[in-house]
Amino acid sequence: GQSLEQPSEVTAVEGAIVQINCTYQTSGFYGLSWYQQHDGGAPTFLSYNALDGLEETGRFSSFLSRSDSYGYLLLQELQMKDSASYFCAGLTGANNLFFGTGTRLTVIP
Amino acid sequence: NAGVTQTPKFRVLKTGQSMTLLCAQDMNHEYMYWYRQDPGMGLRLIHYSVGEGTTAKGEVPDGYNVSRLKKQNFLLGLESAAPSQTSVYFCASGTAGGQETQYFGPGTRLLVL
Repeated sequence: GQSLEQPSEVTAVEGAIVQINCTYQTSGFYGLSWYQQHDGGAPTFLSYNALDGLEETGRFSSFLSRSDSYGYLLLQELQMKDSASYFCAGLTGANNLFFGTGTRLTVIP
Repeated sequence: NAGVTQTPKFRVLKTGQSMTLLCAQDMNHEYMYWYRQDPGMGLRLIHYSVGEGTTAKGEVPDGYNVSRLKKQNFLLGLESAAPSQTSVYFCASGTAGGQETQYFGPGTRLLVL
């Protein structure tokens, strides 16, 4: 079967750095995507790691370690607008995404 | 470009009624998907399509049917709605070879009484 585990909630201070972890168990794993979803909104794509290592996109970075079945999303210089839910999703052998249950990030002043 | 659009935005059904949710995309994407999202849950794949005229089952297909008669449209049908199908339904599209990046519609909120 497929499973991706993330913390359910994280709280961080504006301007700080926060890391959201994701551990996975999937068959035919191709890579790990991250999506952001604001309350009442649609998920939007943030990043994708096909290979081990760090991918950086502005204030957001994502990391993957295939040997540890582990990845994380790093958000720097947190802003209030970053308060949202963040989902990791594994790209599987069926060329579909299997989503984790999401981490709700609350940024406080 | 409108991207991915979904109709209706909100619907209330009685148990046993049927309805069709429409998804349309104007990005010429080959792949289209239907997900459901329940409170505190991630997105679960219902059905997907890798091209016009093709459909396949996802993780939670029971109680739903789909059709992709045109490349730009993907329809999700509920033949006999049940309260367990109360959820938010998202449609998404993506390119072949780029399945890690999906573009989502705004969602349809469905309440089954």
